[in-house]
Amino acid sequence: EIVMTQSPATLSVSPGERATLSCRASQSINSNLAWYQQKPGQAPRLLMYGASTRATGIPARFSGSGSGTEFILTISSLQSEDFAVYYCQQYYNWPRLFGGGTKVEIK
Amino acid sequence: QVQLEESGGGVVQPGKSLRLSCAASGFTFSSYGMHWVRQAPGKGLEWVAFTLYDGSNQYYTDSVKGRFIISRDNSNNTLFLQMNSLRAEDTAVYYCAKDHLAARGIFHYWGQGTLVTVSS
Repeated sequence: EIVMTQSPATLSVSPGERATLSCRASQSINSNLAWYQQKPGQAPRLLMYGASTRATGIPARFSGSGSGTEFILTISSLQSEDFAVYYCQQYYNWPRLFGGGTKVEIK
Repeated sequence: QVQLEESGGGVVQPGKSLRLSCAASGFTFSSYGMHWVRQAPGKGLEWVAFTLYDGSNQYYTDSVKGRFIISRDNSNNTLFLQMNSLRAEDTAVYYCAKDHLAARGIFHYWGQGTLVTVSS
């Protein structure tokens, strides 16, 4: 199975600043990567798929990049509603595995 | 709009069974693969099971193989998860999720989840 590793575990950022989240796959997954956002007490929400395609309704301040084994989610200017936990997930093969998550908190 | 509503969670003793349901609306249910994803308290997300749009194929994570069965009723737009031989480590919020058109295994829409607690 393909192990997904996210870093850092926690990211402290001030509102308006840029946040950069990393996700690494244990082997190449091409661009078969999705990102999700989860707020406390809520279900996850799809942000990005194909490593860099925003899901419907996702603001342009969210961008994704990478392919193969290294991926980045960037939030260009953090808004109050962006403080949450972010998960990457590969859909290259089964089982569909998630990373452990990065919590973006207010600095 | 797409709506997914899980039900059937609760407290159950180890070794017992429970059946979860997910009622779907707002899309053509019979055209999409569906998943169950769970989240243990305070932990991350774990994909559990998948069924193809017509129920002809299923995949499971290793920890539930032989114990859980995913199925669907396309005439009633409902997804199921039959959970047998439950263990304490199965305690989690269980979400149903709809596949994205782009690929199987992109979790496009999620329900709000139902909590399963396995405890004596």
